[in-house]
Amino acid sequence: SAVISQKPSRDICQRGTSLTIQCQVDSQVTMMFWYRQQPGQSLTLIATANQGSEATYESGFVIDKFPISRPNLTFSTLTVSNMSPEDSSIYLCSVEGQRTEQYFGPGTRLTVT
Amino acid sequence: AQTVTQSQPEMSVQEAETVTLSCTYDTSESDYYLFWYKQPPSRQMILVIRQEAYKQQNATENRFSVNFQKAAKSFSLKISDSQLGDAAMYFCAYRSPYGGSQGNLIFGKGTKLSVKP
Repeated sequence: SAVISQKPSRDICQRGTSLTIQCQVDSQVTMMFWYRQQPGQSLTLIATANQGSEATYESGFVIDKFPISRPNLTFSTLTVSNMSPEDSSIYLCSVEGQRTEQYFGPGTRLTVT
Repeated sequence: AQTVTQSQPEMSVQEAETVTLSCTYDTSESDYYLFWYKQPPSRQMILVIRQEAYKQQNATENRFSVNFQKAAKSFSLKISDSQLGDAAMYFCAYRSPYGGSQGNLIFGKGTKLSVKP
């Protein structure tokens, strides 16, 4: 299994500002995934981050709003840009294990006021 | 596109009893993977059980077992001898047979399980 940490664990931000969320894995992985979980809802994939290439975004998510970096095989960041209250969510990163299961970070709870 | 449906927004079970959570999915693939995840109030997603579609045998993990009906595209989770710590949101998830950028999970809306002492 993989151990994943995320920073910050929670934050309260003003609308119009940006927040960068960090995801650190204790082993080298090829793909990292970023999900959003809106209040009381399920998880929705934002993008897939492969080291050394541009992230692949799902429909409804754009790079200008959610830029992602993947500088090495153990680290990724997701930035939520020009935030609005609708961006208030839990943001989770995950990696895939050897048996196709995914391991998730503890999540970042973002509140935009 | 693949979809996952959990038709029970909330379920309740008495401690030590058995409860079954339902999940159906839609896919045109013949090979894929299915999962149940647990999310307690701490919001940490915890893998409960994994099923490979090409295996007819139902997966089992201690008190957790699944009833996988491939033809019906059904994947229910049975929790036996329910414990207070089982109280959480349970998400059913589907993964296609392809890896890389297609290796993401597609989640159902979740079932909130309450356990009564």
